[in-house]
Amino acid sequence: KNEVEQSPQNLTAQEGEFITINCSYSVGISALHWLQQHPGGGIVSLFMLSSGKKKHGRLIATINIQEKHSSLHITASHPRDSAVYICAPGNNFNKFYFGSGTKLNVKP
Amino acid sequence: NAGVTQTPKFQVLKTGQSMTLQCAQDMNHEYMSWYRQDPGMGLRLIHYSVGAGITDQGEVPNGYNVSRSTTEDFPLRLLSAAPSQTSVYFCASTDIGSYEQYFGPGTRLTVT
Repeated sequence: KNEVEQSPQNLTAQEGEFITINCSYSVGISALHWLQQHPGGGIVSLFMLSSGKKKHGRLIATINIQEKHSSLHITASHPRDSAVYICAPGNNFNKFYFGSGTKLNVKP
Repeated sequence: NAGVTQTPKFQVLKTGQSMTLQCAQDMNHEYMSWYRQDPGMGLRLIHYSVGAGITDQGEVPNGYNVSRSTTEDFPLRLLSAAPSQTSVYFCASTDIGSYEQYFGPGTRLTVT
């Protein structure tokens, strides 16, 4: 049983395109992380959301607690955005559920 | 601040060998955790600790031991390595107040 479903699993975009990655989850949560993992690299937390919407630069994350759904948007995508994006809802500080990730490739 | 550090970055073991993966953080976080990441799967929790002297099992604890003698350090021990433990291991610490998670750079372990 997958508590977290991300779509798409793989995504190829042209530089400048608007990108959306979706995350649906089946567990009750207190907060949700969006994480970024570059090839061969470590994992960085992009956002931590408990409601509504957050924006950092070209990245926007939204969450709908009632519908158990979150989205990560990238505006004006760039090749340096190429990475795996992981959704991780959590119902406690010590219980996070991790999606298998969306692999994004942005071509110049 | 160095954040979360892990050593080694790469390790190759033979089946049956034991070793310790080191993890340290300098943010004074009480909560620390170990995950493994396998291809096509999400991160899976191995063990976690909510403070010095307190540890507990996660989703996939078999074959691993942990201890937490200080707030800063949270080593992960492989007791008798098996090929199924070939994976990338991440240590993380969490700010309990904000739920912000900080990950180490990872250790890529191969067991032959």
